Amino acid sequence: DAGVTQSPTHLIKTRGQHVTLRCSPISGHKSVSWYQQVLGQGPQFIFQYYEKEERGRGNFPDRFSARQFPNYSSELNVNALLLGDSALYLCASSFEEHGNQPQHFGDGTRLSIL
Amino acid sequence: DQQVKQNSPSLSVQEGRISILNCDYTNSMFDYFLWYKKYPAEGPTFLISISSIKDKNEDGRFTVFLNKSAKHLSLHIVPSQPGDSAVYFCAASPYGGATNKLIFGTGTLLAVQP
Repeated sequence: DAGVTQSPTHLIKTRGQHVTLRCSPISGHKSVSWYQQVLGQGPQFIFQYYEKEERGRGNFPDRFSARQFPNYSSELNVNALLLGDSALYLCASSFEEHGNQPQHFGDGTRLSIL
Repeated sequence: DQQVKQNSPSLSVQEGRISILNCDYTNSMFDYFLWYKKYPAEGPTFLISISSIKDKNEDGRFTVFLNKSAKHLSLHIVPSQPGDSAVYFCAASPYGGATNKLIFGTGTLLAVQP
């Protein structure tokens, strides 16, 4: 079975531009979460979506937004890119909305801002 | 404020010996804990988890111990193998949360020497 897939794998943008990152969860998983990982740190929670509704938001500015589609895939959008947005963006999926269950991660999108 | 702490940035162990990775947390509302392994250019891979109602969980060479009174957990890998060389992240999830948000430590780089 396919795991969590993310696209693109790498992306280079300039300051002020907009970016859209995509994620397909494991088949049957209804919850998708987004994390940002900067060098030397652990992943930081950005959003969780479940059944197309936002269920949680981390401490990120309004330039970050996301949505989930009927097939449970998800997009993360970042507007007005800043140099500090350079990071690895990870998508994770799980079957349920919450509870004691592991989340499974994709390999991420490496975003570089010039 | 770092709620999940991994105070050892790196650890070097001989092949065949035990690797012990440590993690401390500050929030007593955390009730589910996970360990992830991450190779370069890949996403985090789920290893093992433990619920706060237990103090030990085993899966093959991996055992996680939880000491709630000390707010401390550890991952034991026995015997260590060169393929275990990776960054290990400890993560925690709060009890009763509306989301399955994970809070990560900063990671420990494990090097298993042949």
